[in-house]
Amino acid sequence: GENVEQHPSTLSVQEGDSAVIKCTYSDSASNYFPWYKQELGKGPQLIIDIRSNVGEKKDQRIAVTLNKTAKHFSLHITETQPEDSAVYFCAASRGGYNQGGKLIFGQGTELSVKP
Amino acid sequence: EPEVTQTPSHQVTQMGQEVILRCVPISNHLYFYWYRQILGQKVEFLVSFYNNEISEKSEIFDDQFSVERPDGSNFTLKIRSTKLEDSAMYFCASSMTGRGGYTFGSGTRLTVV
Repeated sequence: GENVEQHPSTLSVQEGDSAVIKCTYSDSASNYFPWYKQELGKGPQLIIDIRSNVGEKKDQRIAVTLNKTAKHFSLHITETQPEDSAVYFCAASRGGYNQGGKLIFGQGTELSVKP
Repeated sequence: EPEVTQTPSHQVTQMGQEVILRCVPISNHLYFYWYRQILGQKVEFLVSFYNNEISEKSEIFDDQFSVERPDGSNFTLKIRSTKLEDSAMYFCASSMTGRGGYTFGSGTRLTVV
């Protein structure tokens, strides 16, 4: 069945260091891969996404890479700041006009950035 | 920035009671979703809704669950007879195209006692 595995489950870094979170998906028809940040008591907030026709995308301090052959995608956060501390979720979707676009989420990574 | 609004933020109900969770999606979005997150676990898909009908549902979304878009702005999730295991955070989401750009609400925490 459709599944997304995410690692690590917890990640602690010093302020200014980089953080990398990795995900693997099982459904080869997946074509859209968003990353969400969830702060305590709030809903998931989209921070970056990538489509299957692109290998890498960057937005300021965050970047996402996609390896379709290996069915891996990763989130990279550089120059981490304490406000980056949150739970991060990866997700995959085979969204299409007739397919509704449900997201399959990974288990989440709790990132802690120490000052 | 447009938001998805969910009410109430927290609901406590007795086992066996019916609950209705309410959502106001972003006004020009056409695809609507419900997800749930049991404490400490991953976010799970429940149902997607487009053009006034369910387009996909998960095996969690059994006969006890229903969705409705009663007017042009609200999108509701009804649980007919709540069970203890329905206790979770329920998130509504919407998308213009169903192919990305999903925006989530802040969630309703449902506690069944």
